[in-house]
Amino acid sequence: KQEVTQIPAALSVPEGENLVLNCSFTDSAIYNLQWFRQDPGKGLTSLLLIQSSQREQTSGRLNASLDKSSGRSTLYIAASQPGDSATYLCAPREAQKLVFGQGTRLTINP
Amino acid sequence: NAGVTQTPKFRILKIGQSMTLQCTQDMNHNYMYWYRQDPGMGLKLIYYSVGAGITDKGEVPNGYNVSRSTTEDFPLRLELAAPSQTSVYFCASSGLGSGELFFGEGSRLTVL
Repeated sequence: KQEVTQIPAALSVPEGENLVLNCSFTDSAIYNLQWFRQDPGKGLTSLLLIQSSQREQTSGRLNASLDKSSGRSTLYIAASQPGDSATYLCAPREAQKLVFGQGTRLTINP
Repeated sequence: NAGVTQTPKFRILKIGQSMTLQCTQDMNHNYMYWYRQDPGMGLKLIYYSVGAGITDKGEVPNGYNVSRSTTEDFPLRLELAAPSQTSVYFCASSGLGSGELFFGEGSRLTVL
């Protein structure tokens, strides 16, 4: 059974810092891995999707990497802003199903 | 472009009542999913469907039923509501290509 762990569970940093969120998964036989953002009381917004054949994917200030063999993915956020405050979830896909971690709650302080 | 639409957004039920959460998507996606999210927790898969007429259980299916009569719609039925079903329910869909998952805005259900 796939298990997904996200470390740290919560992170608070001052505005402008670069930061890394970590995601590890136990079964490396995945099709892809997706990173999501969730604002309080809201749904999930897709940030980045990395296919199993890719090593990384970039969108603006966000960069996600995937090391399938070691069961790890990282989400790098450059020059953090208060608007980046949210919970970030990763989800590797096995066949038809995605399994979610519990997320990292990120707070960016002005 | 509506994407994934869920109704209702909020609902309060009494113990033992039944209800249906509606989900529809306009992206012609084959795969559709129902997740629940409890406070401070990740998402747990309730049921999923890989196409019209095909459904399968996820991690936490007990107390729920689904049907998939069309590509667009994937309703989730709660029979005999229990306080343990108090949660936020998310519907999601993805296509056969990239497999990117798109979510609805959620339905907040309280069972008293």
